[in-house]
Amino acid sequence: DVKVTQSSRYLVKRTGEKVFLECVQDMDHENMFWYRQDPGLGLRLIYFSYDVKMKEKGDIPEGYSVSREKKERFSLILESASTNQTSMYLCASSLSGTVGNSPLHFGNGTRLTVT
Amino acid sequence: GQNIDQPTEMTATEGAIVQINCTYQTSGFNGLFWYQQHAGEAPTFLSYNVLDGLEEKGRFSSFLSRSKGYSYLLLKELQMKDSASYLCAHRGSGGSYIPTFGRGTSLIVHP
Repeated sequence: DVKVTQSSRYLVKRTGEKVFLECVQDMDHENMFWYRQDPGLGLRLIYFSYDVKMKEKGDIPEGYSVSREKKERFSLILESASTNQTSMYLCASSLSGTVGNSPLHFGNGTRLTVT
Repeated sequence: GQNIDQPTEMTATEGAIVQINCTYQTSGFNGLFWYQQHAGEAPTFLSYNVLDGLEEKGRFSSFLSRSKGYSYLLLKELQMKDSASYLCAHRGSGGSYIPTFGRGTSLIVHP
């Protein structure tokens, strides 16, 4: 069974802090994703990666960066946290896009509050 | 674009049947997914449709009509534990494997 683990369930940070959200998957998946989920807005894609050291912007990349130095780990970085980045952050992984039925497997999420 | 529409909220009674609709607009198609998300938990995969028709999995079924840009999730013999948010996600064509999610439908099951 696929396991996607996010390092923190809850985080509270101050405005201007640099924040690291870590995600690790144990199924050798090529693709990894970072989403944020807000009430009434659903899941919105921040960044994704289809291979080590590769990254692509999603729909809302502003204020975020990512790092994928190893296949199993995908980190989301908030360079200078702001209150509008208070949200639930979900990491996901999936097999390569060449596999048709390749659903996303999600971590349990990190609820980030920026004060 | 890949606009996806689904109702914001639905209510139903335990033991009943409920149908959650999802419509999408896109220039290409490479599969439609349904996920279930309980409050405070991660979304979990329910179903995948790439061909027209009905896919049945126990109490849950998912239907797709590509020509109409339409899918539905059918839940039978509703149980209280089915109270959750149901997310429709569409994947475009052209080699794109990135699914786009609808805003989710919150289903409340009453006794």
